[in-house]
Amino acid sequence: DVKVTQSSRYLVKRTGEKVFLECVQDMDHENMFWYRQDPGLGLRLIYFSYDVKMKEKGDIPEGYSVSREKKERFSLILESASTNQTSMYLCASWPTGYRGSPLHFGNGTRLTVT
Amino acid sequence: KQEVTQIPAALSVPEGENLVLNCSFTDSAIYNLQWFRQDPGKGLTSLLLIQSSQREQTSGRLNASLDKSSGRSTLYIAASQPGDSATYLCAVSGNTPLVFGKGTRLSVIA
Repeated sequence: DVKVTQSSRYLVKRTGEKVFLECVQDMDHENMFWYRQDPGLGLRLIYFSYDVKMKEKGDIPEGYSVSREKKERFSLILESASTNQTSMYLCASWPTGYRGSPLHFGNGTRLTVT
Repeated sequence: KQEVTQIPAALSVPEGENLVLNCSFTDSAIYNLQWFRQDPGKGLTSLLLIQSSQREQTSGRLNASLDKSSGRSTLYIAASQPGDSATYLCAVSGNTPLVFGKGTRLSVIA
C-alpha cells in the first residue's frame, strides 16, 4: 500500500521564520503535490513536481518554494512565514500514467504562524 | 478554467438512509474523476476513481457514477452508518492537476 508521510502533524512557528514541511512517499511515484486547505476555500494547489528537480507552480505559489532533490521527497518551504499562511498543508503523490490510479495523500500538517 | 461544485455543502441524515452526493464540473475534457473521504484533521482517503471512459464504479456500499457530457457525478451511499460521517470531496483531472470541489460534510445520526 502506498504510504505518504508528512514529517509533522502540528507545527507552531513565529512570523518571519523559515519553515520546512517535509513529505516522503514510498512507492516510486513521479508526481508529487503540495496543497493547502482552508475552511470555505477548499484545497488549493501550491506547487507540484513531475520529476526530480522539476517543479511547477500551482494556483497559489506566492510566498512558497519547493525542493525535490530525490524522487521520494518533496519539501515545501515558507521563506518568511506570515500569519496568513496558517493552514492545513497536504502532500500527495501520483504515478505517471495516472489516469487509472488514485491520488495518495499524507495525513497533513497543521501549521500555525503566530 | 475547470471548476468543481459540490451540492449540498452539508447534509444530515438518520442512520440507515440511502443518500446521494452531487458533484458537477465545467469542462468535460477530463481523464478521470475521484471521490475522497476526509475525517476531521486528517488527510484525504481515495474512495472511488472513475476513468473518463467509464460510467460507474462500485465499492461495497458506495457507488459513483459519471456523466461526462453533462459534467456531473454522483456518489451514492447505501444504508448509511454513523461511521460514514465525514467530508466527501470530488476531484477531476484533465490537462491540469486535480481540481477539487469544496466537499459535502455528511453527518449520519444514530
